Amino acid sequence: QKEVEQNSGPLSVPEGAIASLNCTYSDRGSQSFFWYRQYSGKSPELIMSIYSNGDKEDGRFTAQLNKASQYVSLLIRDSQPSDSATYLCAVMRGNKLVFGAGTILRVKS
Amino acid sequence: GAVVSQHPSRVICKSGTSVKIECRSLDFQATTMFWYRQFPKQSLMLMATSNEGSKATYEQGVEKDKFLINHASLTLSTLTVTSAHPEDSSFYICSARVWGDEKLFFGSGTQLSVL
Repeated sequence: QKEVEQNSGPLSVPEGAIASLNCTYSDRGSQSFFWYRQYSGKSPELIMSIYSNGDKEDGRFTAQLNKASQYVSLLIRDSQPSDSATYLCAVMRGNKLVFGAGTILRVKS
Repeated sequence: GAVVSQHPSRVICKSGTSVKIECRSLDFQATTMFWYRQFPKQSLMLMATSNEGSKATYEQGVEKDKFLINHASLTLSTLTVTSAHPEDSSFYICSARVWGDEKLFFGSGTQLSVL
């Protein structure tokens, strides 16, 4: 079992819709969780961090964490074509950040 | 957010040569820097953790004699790929952590192509 699992996609949504990205992790002791966005050929860019159960909102982005289910999600409201990218879920393990393989999101205009 | 500068952005070299990649934290001191490698359509794989003034800690399966890491100051870490071969062709990305914060900030990455 991988430490951080994501559906590779691609996930296709129409412009203006809500995109829902999911991630599960194996280490029940994990406390810190992050979502990064990566455009092709570029390095990852931090979108959200979340540490407590529940929802955390920042603009069009909402991160959701459920530690009992070992599940993290990212919702993108009013999706735009510029949101098309690979979204990486990352979980802190000790001092290190472990990444999932990423989900490709395509927003169609 | 914190700025991490990485150079060069792209390197093409012949097999057997060595390549040095620099990673600098521009507006903060990074006691710890991390080096990742990413093959096409795959996730970032941590190669090593670099602490200022001490030897780097390498992940399992990463050859420390091939991937030399130096973290001589609080703002600079370098990765040298020695005797590069085509299988070393990859996207190498450094990252740094601000003291007291768990967030990682990434450099722009280096695309290495070994012919």
